[in-house]
Amino acid sequence: DSGVTQTPKHLITATGQRVTLRCSPRSGDLSVYWYQQSLDQGLQFLIHYYNGEERAKGNILERFSAQQFPDLHSELNLSSLELGDSALYFCASSNHKDRMNTEAFFGQGTRLTVV
Amino acid sequence: SQQGEEDPQALSIQEGENATMNCSYKTSINNLQWYRQNSGRGLVHLILIRSNEREKHSGRLRVTLDTSKKSSSLLITASRAADTASYFCATLQGGKLIFGQGTELSVKP
Repeated sequence: DSGVTQTPKHLITATGQRVTLRCSPRSGDLSVYWYQQSLDQGLQFLIHYYNGEERAKGNILERFSAQQFPDLHSELNLSSLELGDSALYFCASSNHKDRMNTEAFFGQGTRLTVV
Repeated sequence: SQQGEEDPQALSIQEGENATMNCSYKTSINNLQWYRQNSGRGLVHLILIRSNEREKHSGRLRVTLDTSKKSSSLLITASRAADTASYFCATLQGGKLIFGQGTELSVKP
């Protein structure tokens, strides 16, 4: 058990809909990363939050947004869903005590299926 | 763009053999990490090697880092069927923890 909790585990929704994925990081970790993993695109970095603030952005679509709350949990919002958004979505957390030690702990992912 | 690129993309070996995977990256790093992913599950951190280290061991894992060539290798010795998984290298650049495309390792009993 990594200590990172993602909900829900599975989500099936229709095109055009909006969903929210939730991530609770390990206790004490200030950083949360979000990733999208599909068969043809590999593990794509979406966004990184550190202590409530956006730290870095990757190839995240404008239809997607994220935030990190004061209690450090994070949510990834996906709207106007398309079939191609079907993928595994992972979050990971890290404590970033120093720049030399940045190992990340992953949740088990949310499998999103858009039909 | 991806920071780390793994080679080979797929590797199939017999139990007991050694498996070597390589990773190349593009810019300077503070450290390089290796992760393992069983099919459809979350990634698990295996080992981190700092930029001032050349080699690191953890159990049956041996990682090397050559910063002059911007490359790293992961060696799994005496492989077991349970080592079957995908292996990824990752580097942190500007707040982005970027993963390579991974090497899919299959260990046949």
